[in-house]
Amino acid sequence: QSVLTQPPSASGTPGQRVTISCSGSSSNIGGNIVNWYQQLPGTAPKLLIYTNNQRPSGVPDRFSGSKSGTSASLAISGLQSEHEADYYCATWDDGLNCWVFGGGTKLTVL
Amino acid sequence: QVQLQESGPGLVKPSQTLSLTCTVSGGSISSGDYYWSWIRQPPGKGLEWIGYIHYSGRTHYNPSLKSRVTISLERSKNQFSLKLSSVTATDTAVYYCARDREGVAGDYWGQGALVTVSS
Repeated sequence: QSVLTQPPSASGTPGQRVTISCSGSSSNIGGNIVNWYQQLPGTAPKLLIYTNNQRPSGVPDRFSGSKSGTSASLAISGLQSEHEADYYCATWDDGLNCWVFGGGTKLTVL
Repeated sequence: QVQLQESGPGLVKPSQTLSLTCTVSGGSISSGDYYWSWIRQPPGKGLEWIGYIHYSGRTHYNPSLKSRVTISLERSKNQFSLKLSSVTATDTAVYYCARDREGVAGDYWGQGALVTVSS
């Protein structure tokens, strides 16, 4: 059972906009910044969004992040088949005193 | 651009110690701006942060693994290492090394190394 809760799956058709949620508590998301990672099949995770809504160099602006209270969201607009991947949220947990990850959301492009 | 590469045995017997090394290129592990982490992923499951080390030698571990984990630096080789003792089948996972910076776990990742615990 992950400290951060993500839906196990999400889907959309090409061109659609999809959002993936990440729910936590006051000891993690509520008081700390959130990062998002993309893990393509058979590869290592890659940093997609940091500090709630910042994109590393090279990440297209179709990816966006937001945070409100004890929840965060990742949005992907203009969905493409290449976006099929697992997506993870992560933040620091002040109670556990360590980094914690969500359980991951498998995104399928129909 | 910084690159990380894990190396070590792919098979470890139960009760023994898992040992992995991460070689960093394109950047120095002695930079004070970064931390150097290990993160693992059991087959078909999610990510679990194991711990990090700073160039100063300061470490911080996941409380759930703290009693079994040691992360160390080899500055002359630009490497850092993971040791996980008393392993069981539940420690079977892909182990990733990664670079952290303030507020971000894993801005760069290695490709991962599968370690299987089995007799």
